[in-house]
Amino acid sequence: GESVGLHLPTLSVQEGDNSIINCAYSNSASDYFIWYKQESGKGPQFIIDIRSNMDKRQGQRVTVLLNKTVKHLSLQIAATQPGDSAVYFCAEKGFQKLVFGTGTRLLVSP
Amino acid sequence: DTGVSQDPRHKITKRGQNVTFRCDPISEHNRLYWYRQTLGQGPEFLTYFQNEAQLEKSRLLSDRFSAERPKGSFSTLEIQRTEQGDSAMYLCASSLEGGGGNQPQHFGDGTRLSIL
Repeated sequence: GESVGLHLPTLSVQEGDNSIINCAYSNSASDYFIWYKQESGKGPQFIIDIRSNMDKRQGQRVTVLLNKTVKHLSLQIAATQPGDSAVYFCAEKGFQKLVFGTGTRLLVSP
Repeated sequence: DTGVSQDPRHKITKRGQNVTFRCDPISEHNRLYWYRQTLGQGPEFLTYFQNEAQLEKSRLLSDRFSAERPKGSFSTLEIQRTEQGDSAMYLCASSLEGGGGNQPQHFGDGTRLSIL
């Protein structure tokens, strides 16, 4: 069935470092991918998305890379800040619904 | 604030009681989704509406669950005869679809349900 997985449950970085969060997906029919940030007690917050006809997309301090050959997605956060501490989810969309993984917790220490 | 709004934020109830949650999507969004999230997990899809039509329901949505979006604006999710396993965060999301492209779903802050 469909599944979205993450390689690392927790990632600890120093403030100012670059962070890379990885995600593997299994549904080759998925054509749209989204990264969300979720802080404690809040709903997922949209960060960046990418369509399957692209392999890279950049936002403000964030970059998403998509490798369809190996079904791999990554989120790069430049100059990580304490406010970036949260759980990050990748989600894939094959039809109308999003399929989420279990998330990676990013811990940023000063 | 023009984001997705959910009410109540927290609900504590005894097993067997009925509960109803409300979601107000972003005003121009035509699609509305319900998800459920348990601790340490990602959100799981429950159902979605295109305007007032409910177009898909997950296997997770047992017959104790019902969702409506009567006028294509706000939506309600009702759980009848609640069980311990219903304890979770219920998230609502909305998106503006059409025009041939995918659009991101924007989430509210959820209703946390605790069953005693």
